[in-house]
Amino acid sequence: GAVVSQHPSWVICKSGTSVKIECRSLDFQATTMFWYRQFPKQSLMLMATSNEGSKATYEQGVEKDKFLINHASLTLSTLTVTSAHPEDSSFYICSASSNTGDGYTFGSGTRLTVV
Amino acid sequence: LAKTTQPISMDSYEGQEVNITCSHNNIATNDYITWYQQFPSQGPRFIIQGYKTKVTNEVASLFIPADRKSSTLSLPRVSLSDTAVYYCLVGDKMDSSYKLIFGSGTRLLVRP
Repeated sequence: GAVVSQHPSWVICKSGTSVKIECRSLDFQATTMFWYRQFPKQSLMLMATSNEGSKATYEQGVEKDKFLINHASLTLSTLTVTSAHPEDSSFYICSASSNTGDGYTFGSGTRLTVV
Repeated sequence: LAKTTQPISMDSYEGQEVNITCSHNNIATNDYITWYQQFPSQGPRFIIQGYKTKVTNEVASLFIPADRKSSTLSLPRVSLSDTAVYYCLVGDKMDSSYKLIFGSGTRLLVRP
């Protein structure tokens, strides 16, 4: 089946620094990928839609200058958390559809801790 | 965007059958119903998908009535490892740009 690889699986960074998270579709091309954020004991919240070759579209309330999304190829989307603060600590998950009718495939997630 | 409603939590015991019902009153004609399972600190994992009537795979069954305004995920003979959060989502599976919006999910606890 379709596989989405997310890297790193966890990262600790200092407040004020930036962190990049990668999301790759391993065996299919994804013109669209999605980025979610999940706080403990809560559901996944959609942050943005990543579109290959064009600007990402952000959900209401998500700062586009803070969460930079780049989708430069059909198999790679990156999320950069800029000037991270402790409140950005969360579990970030990406997903994509292979368009084979098997639903969306999710990455394994990235646990970001800002200290 | 269709909204789904599920029970917040359910308890069960090993070996029992568990049925989780989801309501999606505003489901669109092109929408399919998909269920995902999520363990702590992992991404959601696809369980089953259907459009109408009944779908069965090696891990679960999905029952969808004719009006498609609800669906029921059936997990036969659950084990401790089935303790997880289960999400019901609706969307056009043939549209790769369709945004999946997660509801609260159902937190299933399987006891020994």
